[in-house]
Amino acid sequence: GAGVSQTPSNKVTEKGKYVELRCDPISGHTALYWYRQSLGQGPEFLIYFQGTGAADDSGLPNDRFFAVRPEGSVSTLKIQRTERGDSAVYLCASSLNGGGTDTQYFGPGTRLTVL
Amino acid sequence: QKEVEQNSGPLSVPEGAIASLNCTYSDRGSQSFFWYRQYSGKSPELIMFIYSNGDKEDGRFTAQLNKASQYVSLLIRDSQPSDSATYLCAVISSGTYKYIFGTGTRLKVLA
Repeated sequence: GAGVSQTPSNKVTEKGKYVELRCDPISGHTALYWYRQSLGQGPEFLIYFQGTGAADDSGLPNDRFFAVRPEGSVSTLKIQRTERGDSAVYLCASSLNGGGTDTQYFGPGTRLTVL
Repeated sequence: QKEVEQNSGPLSVPEGAIASLNCTYSDRGSQSFFWYRQYSGKSPELIMFIYSNGDKEDGRFTAQLNKASQYVSLLIRDSQPSDSATYLCAVISSGTYKYIFGTGTRLKVLA
């Protein structure tokens, strides 16, 4: 595709519910990143995929968060038993090969609100 | 100590002036440094990256890196009202591909 896309753009859920957030990276990009951004803060790293595998998931805050990328393209971030503190904008980014010399392209984000 | 520190601002400069944005980082082994611009309600977009000590220029933007002082800066010459945004500094931690972002500096360019 022309850019990174994310769906839904907005998600409102109730505390305790399960949510899935989807990211479609730029075609051909092997590296995919998930971030979480709260108001007034910079993006907080969650997880990095290289192909189908999670190369670094050290940013996932706890075991309620899980992400997959089964075919090395689309990725889904899954949050179980949502809490109000999970409310934030979830950003996805992709880059061609990953690593420090690549340019990350960000998607528009999914704004998650947990009531 | 935060891994990447930025003054949150706002930094206000008059149109046409030079805006100077600063960032310090704690991981001495960091190798790659990035500046992103983020307009309100939008996602970050890359302005520049720098890997080597010294200056790197791209149009009105100059990135400066001093690894000994663990300091990276962004200069915006001839600032325009359209440059008003939050500027995020990001660093890749040594030995990883994990980007660590600062909280961002809000820049206001006054017409």
